[in-house]
Amino acid sequence: KNEVEQSPQNLTAQEGEFITINCSYSVGISALHWLQQHPGGGIVSLFMLSSGKKKHGRLIATINIQEKHSSLHITASHPRDSAVYICAVSLRLEYGNKLVFGAGTILRVKS
Amino acid sequence: ETGVTQSPTHLIKTRGQQVTLRCSSQSGHNTVSWYQQALGQGPQFIFQYYREEENGRGNFPPRFSGLQFPNYSSELNVNALELDDSALYLCASSTDRLDEQYFGPGTRLTVT
Repeated sequence: KNEVEQSPQNLTAQEGEFITINCSYSVGISALHWLQQHPGGGIVSLFMLSSGKKKHGRLIATINIQEKHSSLHITASHPRDSAVYICAVSLRLEYGNKLVFGAGTILRVKS
Repeated sequence: ETGVTQSPTHLIKTRGQQVTLRCSSQSGHNTVSWYQQALGQGPQFIFQYYREEENGRGNFPPRFSGLQFPNYSSELNVNALELDDSALYLCASSTDRLDEQYFGPGTRLTVT
């Protein structure tokens, strides 16, 4: 079993729809990250969470530490939101941290 | 724009050859991590360097090695390339205290 599980693996939505991507993890973490990856490979950090909820524009991320679960919501989805969304957890190393990634959710928003 | 650059962008090598990938981190970022992302999968942690010393390693064989230099640049070296080494290689830099990691655009390696 992977330490980080995401669902769904693939998601197709119509423009304007509310989208939810879920992430569950099985280990103790120092933080959870939501990342966006476009074709071509570049990864952009969307959120870093250790508790509660964060909002940035149309994106909302929540985390429940007790249940080891996080969700990423996209309101009023748009075709430009089409990308791979990846959940990753931070595990401490001696002087820093390493990220353990989920497999990603491929999101396609149709106009 | 994260301020982290990688070179080359793409690379094609033959099985058995050796390859060096390069990463230039943001000034002041003492920590650099390298990740391997196979097609259709999430990135996997290779190793991390902190102030020029290896600080942690994932489940990768010794033919994967690295170097970090005082000028915030680093290298990933892979010897005896195998077909399964074909992947996107990402570096990410961070300060030694914050969790935030800043990713480079990646190097896509193809081994034939």
